[in-house]
Amino acid sequence: GESVGLHLPTLSVQEGDNSIINCAYSNSASDYFIWYKQESGKGPQFIIDIRSNMDKRQGQRVTVLLNKTVKHLSLQIAATQPGDSAVYFCAENISGGSYIPTFGRGTSLIVHP
Amino acid sequence: GAVVSQHPSRVICKSGTSVKIECRSLDFQATTMFWYRQFPKQSLMLMATSNEGSKATYEQGVEKDKFLINHASLTLSTLTVTSAHPEDSSFYICSAISGLAGGTDTQYFGPGTRLTVL
Repeated sequence: GESVGLHLPTLSVQEGDNSIINCAYSNSASDYFIWYKQESGKGPQFIIDIRSNMDKRQGQRVTVLLNKTVKHLSLQIAATQPGDSAVYFCAENISGGSYIPTFGRGTSLIVHP
Repeated sequence: GAVVSQHPSRVICKSGTSVKIECRSLDFQATTMFWYRQFPKQSLMLMATSNEGSKATYEQGVEKDKFLINHASLTLSTLTVTSAHPEDSSFYICSAISGLAGGTDTQYFGPGTRLTVL
């Protein structure tokens, strides 16, 4: 279901380190997953997506891993930069039904120079 | 990627007044638009789903008479907060999908509207 009323967990890293942001999704029927980045005062921005027939997908400096057995999703950011500081949300959706993605609670990533 | 705009980006109003927020898809036709509300340090809360030419579907707990949604065209949806009160102060974000990819459409978000009710 929706993530409501929960304050965001925070991940602090040093510039240049790799970051791993985790997300536990709720619906075993979900087969499409998306990661979004939201900078302060702005709307979310699409980063990367993955379908359930894959367990890994790579983009530029980002990798998404999907473990359907434990309903877990992670976003790995390589060589984290200060510009990566933002809140990261995962979203899940069932592709065969109405498009109503459910957002996770989000993780605040703070990158220290 | 596709662009979704919102207007205004920031609005301050007096308690009891109504505020209209516009959401436009600039370079694609959006069969479905979504309205979210976000409180500081929290996730996005879906308020309603809006399909062009039909009534919006509101999430449980969202008052449809309080938050009026109109999706008059494939590129424009509006959210009107009627008789706004300080507790309505929040960050309102819209998003849109083309509907062409079924359940794997990319959801494009607007930049958000910061509403402050005095």
